[in-house]
Amino acid sequence: GAVVSQHPSRVICKSGTSVKIECRSLDFQATTMFWYRQFPKQSLMLMATSNEGSKATYEQGVEKDKFLINHASLTLSTLTVTSAHPEDSSFYICSARSWGQETQYFGPGTRLLVL
Amino acid sequence: AQSVTQLDSQVPVFEEAPVELRCNYSSSVSVYLFWYVQYPNQGLQLLLKYLSGSTLVESINGFEAEFNKSQTSFHLRKPSVHISDTAEYFCAVSPRSNDYKLSFGAGTTVTVRA
Repeated sequence: GAVVSQHPSRVICKSGTSVKIECRSLDFQATTMFWYRQFPKQSLMLMATSNEGSKATYEQGVEKDKFLINHASLTLSTLTVTSAHPEDSSFYICSARSWGQETQYFGPGTRLLVL
Repeated sequence: AQSVTQLDSQVPVFEEAPVELRCNYSSSVSVYLFWYVQYPNQGLQLLLKYLSGSTLVESINGFEAEFNKSQTSFHLRKPSVHISDTAEYFCAVSPRSNDYKLSFGAGTTVTVRA
């Protein structure tokens, strides 16, 4: 149980375009989903927290207009990187948890390369 | 706020030897403690966690970690490693509150050699 999927697993896009990444909880209701960014050989940096049906809460320094997060259902959250630039290239990982549960379960990650 | 320090960035170890990965944390509130493992180009997998009760927790693949409140530590150990244990290991803590936001350590790269 507690499986989280992400799609796509990798994406290459041109600078200036937008990219959408999906995060799904496959066998549980994810009342809260988190989006992280990971640079090579580094730890995970929390970008934002989203509760189902509410606006996402962004961490300091994360541009909410650039990284649009939608959590419209209990099994799906999306991260849209708008007007992508090469510096947005990174590994994006989502996680999900159920209400009252302490543990976050992570997706397999999405590698974004902006040319 | 919470912070996590993983004292070893890289740990090379021979197959069948023991390994210990050190993790210390600081927090003004009570926390839950986690170890996650990340294989190359993959997401994180939960290895084990301490929520309450016995301070020694074990995973199904032979890892164990002990919560030491006085030393604010949660070191991870395995008595005999396999080549397949080569991975990145992250220690993380979250407050015992509704948001459960995780704070991660910098990670420890374990490389197991034959």
